Amino acid sequence: GAGVSQSPRYKVAKRGQDVALRCDPISGHVSLFWYQQALGQGPEFLTYFQNEAQLDKSGLPSDRFFAERPEGSVSTLKIQRTQQEDSAVYLCASSLYGTGANVLTFGAGSRLTVL
Amino acid sequence: GESVGLHLPTLSVQEGDNSIINCAYSNSASDYFIWYKQESGKGPQFIIDIRSNMDKRQGQRVTVLLNKTVKHLSLQIAATQPGDSAVYFCAEWRLSDKLIFGTGTRLQVFP
Repeated sequence: GAGVSQSPRYKVAKRGQDVALRCDPISGHVSLFWYQQALGQGPEFLTYFQNEAQLDKSGLPSDRFFAERPEGSVSTLKIQRTQQEDSAVYLCASSLYGTGANVLTFGAGSRLTVL
Repeated sequence: GESVGLHLPTLSVQEGDNSIINCAYSNSASDYFIWYKQESGKGPQFIIDIRSNMDKRQGQRVTVLLNKTVKHLSLQIAATQPGDSAVYFCAEWRLSDKLIFGTGTRLQVFP
């Protein structure tokens, strides 16, 4: 498609379960970003890929969070042993260029609710 | 559903009036700024951008002003329409490293 696609759009998990969130970036986009958006707040940076290389994971809140982009296109954000504080919208964004400041195009997000 | 803007500052304007949304950024080394619009249940949508070597940039019905001295950005929307109702975020690129979002402002447009 023409935009960034994320799935699932909604996910309900019981505390302690593992979840996987998928992002299909715009075709040909080199950079891919994951953000976490809590209710009523702005998106917060989690991690960044340039092609398949994860260049920055400084925003991942704990070692329960793991992201990968093995072939430089689709990315998966995995959260192990989910906790209630993980409830948020997880946004994926991509950009055409690999370096330098440029416009990020966002997907609609995956809303995770942990019970 | 997702309730973006539940606890955010709110600006209420009448349809047809001009809107001004302000944003203070934190890092004097930031060199590129973007305004995003986020409607409920959707991801942030690009509106307009400006680089640090500019003071003003105009788009269709929108203008962004940058004051580097006081680290302040504003977004002006002319002839505000009901479809402009959303949460607006300013975002800054810090040393071309990562895009950092501000806290956001909810814009409500009344008929």
